[in-house]
Parts: sequence; C-alpha cells; structure tokens
Amino acid sequence: AQSVTQLGSHVSVSEGALVLLRCNYSSSVPPYLFWYVQYPNQGLQLLLKYTSAATLVKGINGFEAEFKKSETSFHLTKPSAHMSDAAEYFCAAQTGGGADGLTFGKGTHLIIQP
Amino acid sequence: DARVTQTPRDKVTEMGQEVTMRCQPILGHNTVFWYRQTMMQGLELLAYFRNRAPLDDSGMPKDRFSAEMPDATLATLKIQPSEPRDSAVYFCASGLGVNTGELFFGEGSRLTVL
Repeated sequence: AQSVTQLGSHVSVSEGALVLLRCNYSSSVPPYLFWYVQYPNQGLQLLLKYTSAATLVKGINGFEAEFKKSETSFHLTKPSAHMSDAAEYFCAAQTGGGADGLTFGKGTHLIIQP
Repeated sequence: DARVTQTPRDKVTEMGQEVTMRCQPILGHNTVFWYRQTMMQGLELLAYFRNRAPLDDSGMPKDRFSAEMPDATLATLKIQPSEPRDSAVYFCASGLGVNTGELFFGEGSRLTVL
C-alpha cells in the first residue's frame, strides 16, 4: 500500500528564511504527488501538484517542490518565509491513474518566528 | 465561487446518539471523498464515491458508519450509535476523478461525542 512520510511534525523558521518541508513516498510506480496547506479551522487547499510532467513544480504563494525519483522524495520549499505561511502542510500521494483517494502524510506544522 | 459545503460546522452530541453530516460537492464534480482528521491518526480516508456509486469504504467502521449519495448534489455520512472515539473533524472533498487528482475540500464538520 502507498504510504507518505513527512519528516518533522513541527518545523520552525525565522521570517525571511528558507522553508524546507520534507516528504517521501513509498511506491515502485511514481504516483501523483501533492502538497496541501491547512489554515486553522479550515479545510485543505492545494498548493501544488506533480503529475509526471516537469520535475520542478511551482505552486501558489511562492512555494515549489521538486520530484526526485531516485530519492522517492517531493520536498516543499519557499525561499523566504512570511508570517502568513504559518499553517499545517500535508504531502499526499495518489496512484491508480488518479482515480483513487489521496494518501496523506501526518502533516508538518510550520511555525514562523518574527 | 465554487466550493464544497459541509454541514454542520460543529456538532456536540452524547454517546449513543445518531449523527448525520452532509456535504454538497462542487457542481460537476463526479468524485466525492470523506476523510476523518484526528491528532493521533492524521487524515484517514473513510469512503469515496464516483458518479454516486460507492467505490471504497474500507476505511470506515461498518458497524456504525454509513455513507451515501442520494443524488449528485448531496453526500451524507452517518454514525449510529456515536461513541467518544468518533470525535474528530470530518472533511468532505470533491474532484473530477480520473487523471486530475486535485481534490477540493470543505471546511469540515467538527464532531464532539461526550
């Protein structure tokens, strides 16, 4: 079964610093991969997705992620953190040609220090 | 502004009571998913539908949970009888199905069972 691992349940960075949130998937067949963000008391919203086109994917709010098949990773980055980036971030994978539900990682809580 | 609508947003009930959560997917979406979010387990897929037909409900406790789509504009998740361990936030998400992957989430129904 597909699984998604997010390293670090909490990540703290200073405002203006680089954000790096790690995600690894387990699948012999590269799945579709996603990053979602959840703000307090809200549902999840899509940041970006990888669907086997370009390996470097750009998303909203200045985030991007790079698919590395050799490392089975899909880490999320942002060059300069903003206070508004504080939220819960979820990595997710989907196999089955996109027809199945997403398998989510446990989430990483991003804290931005002023 | 197309969005997934869930009701109720908050529900407090006593153990043994029946709880029904409702979801209106985005018009035109043909897949609907129910997820449960808890601190301990993260996001768990409970069930999902394509074109109103249930495809997978293996994540759902069958003895007390049931999910249905009476029509294309309504999905329901029912718990009977409810138990304190059912306390969680329940999310509905909808999508366009095969080969797109992206899911659109509602704001969730927070259930507290006393």
